[in-house]
Amino acid sequence: DQQVKQNSPSLSVQEGRISILNCDYTNSMFDYFLWYKKYPAEGPTFLISISSIKDKNEDGRFTVFLNKSAKHLSLHIVPSQPGDSAVYFCAASSPSGTYKYIFGTGTRLKVLA
Amino acid sequence: DAGVIQSPRHEVTEMGQEVTLRCKPISGHDYLFWYRQTMMRGLELLIYFNNNVPIDDSGMPEDRFSAKMPNASFSTLKIQPSEPRDSAVYFCASRSTWGAKSTEAFFGQGTRLTVV
Repeated sequence: DQQVKQNSPSLSVQEGRISILNCDYTNSMFDYFLWYKKYPAEGPTFLISISSIKDKNEDGRFTVFLNKSAKHLSLHIVPSQPGDSAVYFCAASSPSGTYKYIFGTGTRLKVLA
Repeated sequence: DAGVIQSPRHEVTEMGQEVTLRCKPISGHDYLFWYRQTMMRGLELLIYFNNNVPIDDSGMPEDRFSAKMPNASFSTLKIQPSEPRDSAVYFCASRSTWGAKSTEAFFGQGTRLTVV
């Protein structure tokens, strides 16, 4: 049973426009969320995170929004750049103290020049 | 630090053979995770260790899979016997629960396993 879901396997966006990647989760006990980026033949690398006590976190061109009532989070990239083309994974931390991350299936973003 | 180091990067083996994947975590990290990446399930957590002790192996798909962490700088994931459906990319990640980056897990480059 997939506790973290990314329902869009792929997304194409024009360079300079906004990319919005979505993620849904089922466990209301999740209290920490992260986004990882993965290039081909490399391991995932951390991008941005958000705690459940916040509804927004921003880092440069990347902003993560959290809607706890809807059990939904999204990653916004503005403006999108060709170098952002990668697979993006959403992850959620299981209830505090267990330190493990549950990942989604990933969304492949392609930014068109 | 060189980051999380996995070996081999690629492994091709015949069905029924034993496969051992290796991982060296970042020095000082107290958590180590083994993940498997597939199209259907994304990054699937197999097992994780805290201070070399297995904490949760509920993600290990079958008894054919086993993992060990004999010391803080080395872990193995073994599949015996291997089957074609085990073909995937296997990632090792480590994390420290101390310091400024304590919420971030660092991944190795992965081992691409192909079982024919």
